[in-house]
Amino acid sequence: DSGVTQTPKHLITATGQRVTLRCSPRSGDLSVYWYQQSLDQGLQFLIQYYNGEERAKGNILERFSAQQFPDLHSELNLSSLELGDSALYFCASSPQGNYGYTFGSGTRLTVV
Amino acid sequence: TQLLEQSPQFLSIQEGENLTVYCNSSSVFSSLQWYRQEPGEGPVLLVTVVTGGEVKKLKRLTFQFGDARKDSSLHITAAQPGDTGLYLCAGALIGYKLSFGAGTTVTVRA
Repeated sequence: DSGVTQTPKHLITATGQRVTLRCSPRSGDLSVYWYQQSLDQGLQFLIQYYNGEERAKGNILERFSAQQFPDLHSELNLSSLELGDSALYFCASSPQGNYGYTFGSGTRLTVV
Repeated sequence: TQLLEQSPQFLSIQEGENLTVYCNSSSVFSSLQWYRQEPGEGPVLLVTVVTGGEVKKLKRLTFQFGDARKDSSLHITAAQPGDTGLYLCAGALIGYKLSFGAGTTVTVRA
């Protein structure tokens, strides 16, 4: 157990639907990062939150949004899903000033 | 286009052999990390290198950061089947956001 908890582990949904992925960071970590991993694109940075505030944005589609709550857990919302959104979605956390990320086990999203 | 280029993409060796994985970029990084990922799991941090020319050893794994902080290598001595996995390098540019390479899939045959 890495200390970063992601739910659900697997998600199968239809095109056009909306899903929410949840992440609880490791205790004490203020930063949360979301990454998408697909076979042809590798790990792609989506978005970072630090202590509730958006800190950096990567290749995140407008159909996707995220937030970090006061208890530091984070949610990634994916809407109007397309087949190409099928991927592994990882959440990672880190303490301030430390470059080491701790990753969760990921959510495997399959859009059918 | 990946900011970090890893080579080779795939590596299959016999148990007991040595291997080296390379990570190259035209960008200068404030730090570089190596992760190992197993199927169905998230990447696990192996090491962070910060200083140009730095060499770190972790049992049979040796990590080197290039003098100009643009490249890195991972060398495994006497590889074992337990070393099998996807090895990812990641560089920090702005803040703590990491950019990952595409990874090297290493298979060690018993």
